[in-house]
Amino acid sequence: AAGVIQSPRHLIKEKRETATLKCYPIPRHDTVYWYQQGPGQDPQFLISFYEKMQSDKGSIPDRFSAQQFSDYHSELNMSSLELGDSALYFCASSGNRVSTGELFFGEGSRLTVL
Amino acid sequence: AQSVSQHNHHVILSEAASLELGCNYSYGGTVNLFWYVQYPGQHLQLLLKYFSGDPLVKGIKGFEAEFIKSKFSFNLRKPSVQWSDTAEYFCAVHALYSGGGADGLTFGKGTHLIIQP
Repeated sequence: AAGVIQSPRHLIKEKRETATLKCYPIPRHDTVYWYQQGPGQDPQFLISFYEKMQSDKGSIPDRFSAQQFSDYHSELNMSSLELGDSALYFCASSGNRVSTGELFFGEGSRLTVL
Repeated sequence: AQSVSQHNHHVILSEAASLELGCNYSYGGTVNLFWYVQYPGQHLQLLLKYFSGDPLVKGIKGFEAEFIKSKFSFNLRKPSVQWSDTAEYFCAVHALYSGGGADGLTFGKGTHLIIQP
């Protein structure tokens, strides 16, 4: 079965650079979530989108922005990167608006900021 | 807002030992509950979930969990662990608001389980 696809899988950037992560949800899933997982940490909710509109916002820094496109894929844009942004970024999708909370996770994009 | 507490951050067991990982949540309303597993270098995978009904739920790979509403707990159990169960285990809660919602899961800090051969 098709899963959540994230790209790139690995990304290395310098401080103050910009990075863009992409997420392709499971077909017919209309809700996308972004999580950040620092080394040895639990996943922290960043932001979610439903039907191309921002649905909820968590601990996403102002330097980050995200959007969901007409084909339901989502992009997380990160600017002025800091060392502390080094983390595993997970995208997850779900298939209904009245969410059960069951999320299907992608394999993550590992960002390293040097 | 809801929160999740996992009692043990690190657990080391020998193969064939029994496992119980504690999870408590704080939220006064209705919740859906999950356990996710993250094998080294991999993504989060759903082990089991509880929405309603029988409070004892069975998941993949021989895991089960029991929801005790009065204790706000959702402990994970496995009668006999294997070396391949070495992983990070996350308990997660989704609060069901009256208006529905697409907010994210709230995760516990995780329990790092190491199974020694």
